[in-house]
Amino acid sequence: AQSVTQPDIHITVSEGASLELRCNYSYGATPYLFWYVQSPGQGLQLLLKYFSGDTLVQGIKGFEAEFKRSQSSFNLRKPSVHWSDAAEYFCAVDARNYGQNFVFGPGTRLSVLP
Amino acid sequence: GAGVSQSPSNKVTEKGKDVELRCDPISGHTALYWYRQSLGQGLEFLIYFQGNSAPDKSGLPSDRFSAERTGGSVSTLTIQRTQQEDSAVYLCASSPLAGGFSGNTIYFGEGSWLTVV
Repeated sequence: AQSVTQPDIHITVSEGASLELRCNYSYGATPYLFWYVQSPGQGLQLLLKYFSGDTLVQGIKGFEAEFKRSQSSFNLRKPSVHWSDAAEYFCAVDARNYGQNFVFGPGTRLSVLP
Repeated sequence: GAGVSQSPSNKVTEKGKDVELRCDPISGHTALYWYRQSLGQGLEFLIYFQGNSAPDKSGLPSDRFSAERTGGSVSTLTIQRTQQEDSAVYLCASSPLAGGFSGNTIYFGEGSWLTVV
């Protein structure tokens, strides 16, 4: 079945360290890809999105993500994590061209150590 | 409005009671979604409205759940005879999908936190 996977359920990094959150999708063509962040007790906020063009996209809060067609991946990165980045991160695919809706990955919870 | 607005933000109800959750999407957005997020879980798709088309109800977990969207704008999610397992955050989102083009961003509300006791 077509899906979005986030292999890491929970990641812990030290403040100032670099971060990479993994996302893989199983749709054949290039879907529209998104990363959302959910802080505790909050709704989801869009970090960045990829539709076409440059495969490295910049988002808010210093995040970036790279689309790699050969690996069916859209990993999220940040060079230096801040304590306020502790949250749940969701990768999502707009699969409406495939007869589905927005499909979200299961999420990765990020903890940041002082 | 400026963003997706949901009400109530918090609701505590007794088992067996009916509840209604309201979503006011961003003005002009034709697509509207409801998702459910249980404690510590990911997002579970419930229902999708797109313009005047028949809604996609494939994610509704049981016939106790229903939703409507009046005038192509405000939506109400109704849960009848609530059960404790219905306790969750119910998230509404909207998108400016138009002309069949896919790939528009969806924007989320803050959610309605439902607790069934």
